Amino acid sequence: QTMVTQEPSFSVSPGGTVTLTCGLSSGSVSDTDFPSWYQQTPGQAPRTLIHSTKTRSSGVPARFSGSIVGNKAALTITGAQADDESDYYCMLYMGSGNWVFGGGTKLTVV
Amino acid sequence: EVQLVESGGGLVQPGGSLRLSCVASGLNFNGLTFSNYFMHWVRQAPGKGLVWVSRIFGDGSDTSFADSVKGRFTVSRDNAKNTVYLQMSSLRVEDTAVYFCVTGFPGYSLGYWGQGTLVTVSS
Repeated sequence: QTMVTQEPSFSVSPGGTVTLTCGLSSGSVSDTDFPSWYQQTPGQAPRTLIHSTKTRSSGVPARFSGSIVGNKAALTITGAQADDESDYYCMLYMGSGNWVFGGGTKLTVV
Repeated sequence: EVQLVESGGGLVQPGGSLRLSCVASGLNFNGLTFSNYFMHWVRQAPGKGLVWVSRIFGDGSDTSFADSVKGRFTVSRDNAKNTVYLQMSSLRVEDTAVYFCVTGFPGYSLGYWGQGTLVTVSS
């Protein structure tokens, strides 16, 4: 079964730029996988950041952007802030009415 | 303001059943109503990541499930009550999780999230 892969953890300095990636254990991620990104802080429900590779959800700051980089989907945070410290999950549409999340990336801002 | 409120979680023994409910409000804007939205269930075991569980079409005509719950869980909705249900049976210890109700969104993504309801399967 194809798995969705993410970096387990990442660290960024305040004001810095970080790119989190979302790949497939077999094959490349493309727009037709409809990559989306979700942010979750401890004890809270997730929040939708990005859908359809690069479209920001309403209210999401412009410092969050989505793209395809090489064979992976990517979430870039430009000018990271302390409250961006969260878990970030990507999700891909696998076709036939099935979706799969990646394992999540724990982002530390320090 | 969009609100999704889940209920029905609790403690159940292995092999038991439970039905979760999710009532939606605030979705009537931009010419859309609850019946226009796919609805999903996503779960998260304690200390673990998100796992997609199930999806139902806006009119209830089609459903899909993760392999881990296929044949044990069913999903339904009552659009007159703005409510979606997840019927869980033959529950296993590994089904222990917070279950989130989530709307579908453009581009095969997820949109608005509920706060979740905890299901604990234990003897």
